[in-house]
Amino acid sequence: DADVTQTPRNRITKTGKRIMLECSQTKGHDRMYWYRQDPGLGLRLIYYSFDVKDINKGEISDGYSVSRQAQAKFSLSLESAIPNQTALYFCATSDFPRSVGYTFGSGTRLTVV
Amino acid sequence: KNEVEQSPQNLTAQEGEFITINCSYSVGISALHWLQQHPGGGIVSLFMLSSGKKKHGRLIATINIQEKHSSLHITASHPRDSAVYICAACRGSQGNLIFGKGTKLSVKP
Repeated sequence: DADVTQTPRNRITKTGKRIMLECSQTKGHDRMYWYRQDPGLGLRLIYYSFDVKDINKGEISDGYSVSRQAQAKFSLSLESAIPNQTALYFCATSDFPRSVGYTFGSGTRLTVV
Repeated sequence: KNEVEQSPQNLTAQEGEFITINCSYSVGISALHWLQQHPGGGIVSLFMLSSGKKKHGRLIATINIQEKHSSLHITASHPRDSAVYICAACRGSQGNLIFGKGTKLSVKP
């Protein structure tokens, strides 16, 4: 099994629908992150969590919410999806400050029509 | 100005060529990451370095902390090296990553 697992891998949804992207990890890392990737813009941080009780907004959190259900699970929700949320979404974990390594999930390709 | 700048944005090479991708950053860092993203989309960590030089197979990464600059070199490039290479600065105090926009490399046989 992958160290960081994202589900689903691909999703097409309609404008206005609520959708949840899930991320689970077996690395035992405290820190988890959600990023979105758009062509020409690179990866941008949506939300991050340093532990179960510590959740922080990133640079583009509007329209998104998250839930850290356990150390191993970090979910991203789009409350009411809109077409400009069409993107590739990545979950990642890190063990900072014990180490500076990051591990990325395989990504979720989301299309909002 | 972006805090992490990569160049070039696109690079086409012939198989066997020596390739260099550059990354400059303007923030204080605890480490600099080089990542690889294949057309399927997944991101793989290639290197994480805070000083000097690291080598893995045909890939070499260097960093100059004083100049805030890092390079990724690929020796004897191969079509399977075709991917997007992303530089990311690990911000010193928080540990969060700031990403460059990536360099799309295409190696022709």
